[in-house]
Amino acid sequence: DTEVTQTPKHLVMGMTNKKSLKCEQHMGHRAMYWYKQKAKKPPELMFVYSYEKLSINESVPSRFSPECPNSSLLNLHLHALQPEDSALYLCASSQDGGPSSGANVLTFGAGSRLTVL
Amino acid sequence: EDKVVQSPLSLVVHEGDTVTLNCSYEVTNFRSLLWYKQEKKAPTFLFMLTSSGIEKKSGRLSSILDKKELFSILNITATQTGDSAVYLCAVRTDKLIFGTGTRLQVFP
Repeated sequence: DTEVTQTPKHLVMGMTNKKSLKCEQHMGHRAMYWYKQKAKKPPELMFVYSYEKLSINESVPSRFSPECPNSSLLNLHLHALQPEDSALYLCASSQDGGPSSGANVLTFGAGSRLTVL
Repeated sequence: EDKVVQSPLSLVVHEGDTVTLNCSYEVTNFRSLLWYKQEKKAPTFLFMLTSSGIEKKSGRLSSILDKKELFSILNITATQTGDSAVYLCAVRTDKLIFGTGTRLQVFP
């Protein structure tokens, strides 16, 4: 299995809803990432988990809450979002998240397209 | 602040043309440079470059890195309509920092 699987593919939610995005990989990768991508812009890093611990939080608002229950799963919990949070949310994984991981390639999922009304 | 800049922002060519996409960077703690192709959704990996002057090649695509001048180029020869996509350059530090992307459109 060489894929990163994201669910749901599309999500529409109101500003008062609570929802979650899910990401799964079975490649034995130990680093997992959340990126946000707005239309016609490059992906922007949100969070990095390395060996199931949060290692990078790019000053993301607390209405986004990541969770890494185990080495294969990564969730992004959403609460009280704003319309400007509408975007494509990409999950990625890489072999290793440690200091020696600089040469590792990120494998991306197909993304979850989120619309906040 | 770490920065990755790509040029041109967009490019329109005819099938059979050769294109060169540019990526320059200013980062601390450079580890590698990666090229991705993004069509509709997930960026798909093309190349990873860590050493200067060594060309990576895959079919009609090739790429090279210059660590002294801090840039990389991606060449596509004999372009096809299926090459139409956004090409993203990304530099790996302790994170992966993406450039602005080059949108390539190849017309028959």
